Amino acid sequence: EVHLLESGGDLIQPGGSLRLSCVASGFDFSTDAMAWVRQAPGKGLEWVSSINANSGTTLYADSVMGRFTISRDNSKNTLFLQMNNLRVGDTAVYYCAKCAGHCQYRHFDFWGQGALVTVSS
Amino acid sequence: IQLTQSPSSLSASVGDRVTITCRASQAISTYLAWYQQKPGKAPNLLIYAASTLQSGAPSRFSGSGSGTDFTLTISSLQPEDFATYYCLQLNDYPLTFGGGTKVEIE
Repeated sequence: EVHLLESGGDLIQPGGSLRLSCVASGFDFSTDAMAWVRQAPGKGLEWVSSINANSGTTLYADSVMGRFTISRDNSKNTLFLQMNNLRVGDTAVYYCAKCAGHCQYRHFDFWGQGALVTVSS
Repeated sequence: IQLTQSPSSLSASVGDRVTITCRASQAISTYLAWYQQKPGKAPNLLIYAASTLQSGAPSRFSGSGSGTDFTLTISSLQPEDFATYYCLQLNDYPLTFGGGTKVEIE
């Protein structure tokens, strides 16, 4: 059974940094692309970033480009999102999502339960 | 690529046939998925490649369309189907979601 477990969510002041982690189990983590998707309180879903299986390709939404960095450690079945220079508008539940092989042209087939990031002074 | 879902909300009764539409601002072939989200929970995949039912999803859910116009149909609404539904295009980056359709009890 596929399982994705996020951690690292917290209350952080504007301008601060935070790193989210997502530990995966139940599938061969090293063969699937992964992504982060966020959802602001009461709002819809927003794709944040994707990374391919071997970390050779990373992609970002314009809203986080230059501030967020996605990475993965296939030896530890873990996906990361380093978030720097956080803004109030980054407040959201951040979901880790598994891609069915690739993300582009495929789909997100499993999601974690989410980690809440609150940016506030 | 912008995805426009309609309606943004609807009220329906158990047993009703429900149709949700998703229109893309440019052609995306069949690179579209549909998700169901219940309050406080992560999204759950229903349909991918526009019309393929995800394993384990109830057969009352179906998807159709290609190019720019897509639909999600629930053939007979059940109590557990009251939720918010999102479409997602995976044709090009940035990947984008529709604004969501909230299905409520009438």
